[in-house]
Amino acid sequence: QVQLVESGGGVVQPGTSLRLSCAASGFTFSMCGMHWVRQAPGKGLEWVGVFSYNGRDTYYGDSVKGRFSISRDNSKNTLYLEIHGLRAEDTAVYYCAKEQSSGPYRTVDAWGQGTLVTVSS
Amino acid sequence: DIQMTQSPSTLSASVGDRVTMTCRASERLNNWLAWYQQKPGKALKLLIYQASTLERGVPSRFSGSGSGTEFTLTISSLQPDDFATYYCQQYKSYSWTFGQGTKVEIK
Repeated sequence: QVQLVESGGGVVQPGTSLRLSCAASGFTFSMCGMHWVRQAPGKGLEWVGVFSYNGRDTYYGDSVKGRFSISRDNSKNTLYLEIHGLRAEDTAVYYCAKEQSSGPYRTVDAWGQGTLVTVSS
Repeated sequence: DIQMTQSPSTLSASVGDRVTMTCRASERLNNWLAWYQQKPGKALKLLIYQASTLERGVPSRFSGSGSGTEFTLTISSLQPDDFATYYCQQYKSYSWTFGQGTKVEIK
């Protein structure tokens, strides 16, 4: 049974940095692309970025490029999201999500429950 | 980026109703479109991928159709468990983009 558990959220000051984690289990983590998606309070879903299933490539949404960094540790089955220069508009629930394991184009087929990041002074 | 426009934003319906929501893309998606269900306090759930393929374990009352730039999610007979918010999402190219969501409410 696939499980994705995010952690690391909280109340943080503007301009600071934060690292979120996503602990994965129930599937072969190293073989799957892994995504981060966020949702501001009362708003829709925004794709943050992906660590590709090829184990090398990362891609980011335009609004977070340059400040967000996705990494993974396959030995720990864990995905990370580092956020630098936090802004009020980064306040959101951050979800990690697992890609489908096959297909030429793959969407996400499992999500965590999310971790809330609140940027406030 | 590919823009996704979802409608309606809110839909009021009764148990047993047939409901339909639409998603339009700013360019052709070659059917690389998914639908998700979101309920408060629960993980998002994949319902449909590749425009019309039902995810394993999803009830058959859910169906997806469409091609090119226009896609539809239909619930054939609305059940109490289906009151939720639904999102379409394109995965043809990065950056992935989502529709604004359709909230299905009790009439």
